[in-house]
This record gives sequence, C-alpha cells and structure tokens, in this order.
Amino acid sequence: GQNIDQPTEMTATEGAIVQINCTYQTSGFNGLFWYQQHAGEAPTFLSYNVLDGLEEKGRFSSFLSRSKGYSYLLLKELQMKDSASYLCAVYYNFNKFYFGSGTKLNVKP
Amino acid sequence: DTGVSQDPRHKITKRGQNVTFRCDPISEHNRLYWYRQTLGQGPEFLTYFQNEAQLEKSRLLSDRFSAERPKGSFSTLEIQRTEQGDSAMYLCASSLAGTGFVHEQYFGPGTRLTVT
Repeated sequence: GQNIDQPTEMTATEGAIVQINCTYQTSGFNGLFWYQQHAGEAPTFLSYNVLDGLEEKGRFSSFLSRSKGYSYLLLKELQMKDSASYLCAVYYNFNKFYFGSGTKLNVKP
Repeated sequence: DTGVSQDPRHKITKRGQNVTFRCDPISEHNRLYWYRQTLGQGPEFLTYFQNEAQLEKSRLLSDRFSAERPKGSFSTLEIQRTEQGDSAMYLCASSLAGTGFVHEQYFGPGTRLTVT
C-alpha cells in the first residue's frame, strides 16, 4: 500500500558506507520509520523522521524530504552483523503504518 | 517490562482447523497492531486497536480472521478454517500514539504458522 518503494537487494563491503533509498506517496504523511530485520527475527527500530533533514544515531543516519516523498538510511563503517533486511515504514493519517518490501543488505568481507 | 511477547512461537496445523494467537504488548502502550509477513516481503497490515477498540481492519482480511483486545491489554488473533495460503509469520507490535503524535512500534518475536 501507499507505493512505498525501496531496492530489493544491495551489496557492500565491510567498513564502507551504504545508502538505502525509500520513496512513498506524500498524501497523509505523518512520519517515516526505518527498521532492521535479521532473517527469522522481528523488526527492530532504527530511526524516525517527521521533519525534513538528517537524523543521526551513531553509525546510522536517516534523511527525509517530505516534498519529494523521499528518505534514505545511511549506514557507515559497515560491519558483518549489519547484513539484514532494512524496512522503510510510513505512518499515514495518524492511523497506521505501511511497510516497503525491504532491502536485503549483504555485507562482504 | 520485557517487551512485546507472542504465544505460540510456532504453530503447525492442518487445513481447515482453527488457530488462535496471543499478543501481550508493552503495558503502557495504547496501540496494538497485527501484521502478516511472508518471505521476502515487508509486514502487511491486518488490523489495529487503540485501547480495546478495533479501529481498522484491512480489506485484504477475510471473514475467517478475527481479533480482539477485550480489556485493552493483551490481544488475540483467530483464524478459522485455515488455508495453506495463511502460512506466514504473524507479527504483533505495540506503540504509544494519539492525536498528532506517534512513537515507534515495538514488535514481538512473531508466531510462525504453517498450514499443511
């Protein structure tokens, strides 16, 4: 729902930086969340944007442009344990969350 | 509080049987969501509660699915006459939300349903 699009899969090298993009429909937008999900486990919260700009939390940063319907998650100093799926979730109409299909990130040594 | 819990963690059932799952949210959270997730997909919204009121149910959800949150605390999700297409991970999440604000959702470990 709500045309939340993110790349299906990405590969990056340990120690590098990777950017995962997410686009969404802007009507009714209230906030955008990023979650990490390891295989077979539940999603865990990473970051949250409600206003335009960059939010930084350690090695993870998330950016939002509400006018463009665009966000990205930036992961720095990649570690092997960062291999997981990253889910973009948008909160609409102070009501419910729609999730993208997730981006599977493969970190190689 | 130890977070969101779900029971059972795994359920194998035969086609046509009924199953019920339980979710215990974080105690101070007023919102509780149920999602279904299949391999390679993100969580798909099923329904949500604010306190004990069920405020929305996905149009994708057939009449075989029902959910309750009788006292605004734990919730149950029942699937009647299960079909093989119901095989999935069923996730519960809770959050604190209200008019004009929302906080992040915390997910339970999920219940993996296999219908044979």
